[in-house]
Amino acid sequence: DTEVTQTPKHLVMGMTNKKSLKCEQHMGHRAMYWYKQKAKKPPELMFVYSYEKLSINESVPSRFSPECPNSSLLNLHLHALQPEDSALYLCASSQVNSGNTIYFGEGSWLTVV
Amino acid sequence: EDKVVQSPLSLVVHEGDTVTLNCSYEVTNFRSLLWYKQEKKAPTFLFMLTSSGIEKKSGRLSSILDKKELFSILNITATQTGDSAVYLCAGPAPYNNNDMRFGAGTRLTVKP
Repeated sequence: DTEVTQTPKHLVMGMTNKKSLKCEQHMGHRAMYWYKQKAKKPPELMFVYSYEKLSINESVPSRFSPECPNSSLLNLHLHALQPEDSALYLCASSQVNSGNTIYFGEGSWLTVV
Repeated sequence: EDKVVQSPLSLVVHEGDTVTLNCSYEVTNFRSLLWYKQEKKAPTFLFMLTSSGIEKKSGRLSSILDKKELFSILNITATQTGDSAVYLCAGPAPYNNNDMRFGAGTRLTVKP
């Protein structure tokens, strides 16, 4: 089973709202990722967790706050977002060792109004 | 700075045509290169290439890596309209095992 599940699939939020994106995988992967993808652009890495610890933060604004409660779950907490943050947010997972295949969830389409 | 460069950026063909998509990379500490297909949703995994000269094949798709010349190609034979998608190439960054750098992608359109 190579499945990464993301919820919600679509989210519309105001600039003063607080919301969260959720991601779950049961493949035993110990690396989990958040990517952001704008239209007609490739995915851009935001955060990486290895063994439930944040290992990479690609200079993402603090209005995005990741959380990894356990080895199967990854959250992205959203607060005071801007319209330009509207994008497809992709969660992914992989084994921790280098060069492993990364499996993506179907993404959460976020619109900030 | 490490780069993954794909060409062409877009391609329009007719059903039955064969296409070749290119990916060149300048990753300094190469481990593997991956190909993904992205339609309207998330990227789906196609191939992982680690060794030079060994072709990976899946149905009408195949891919090969040239580590000396630092490039990979993805071939699709007898294209179908369902092959229309963005094809992404990615390579791990050298500074961290768990980062992956994507190229800009090739947008393939297959017309009936």
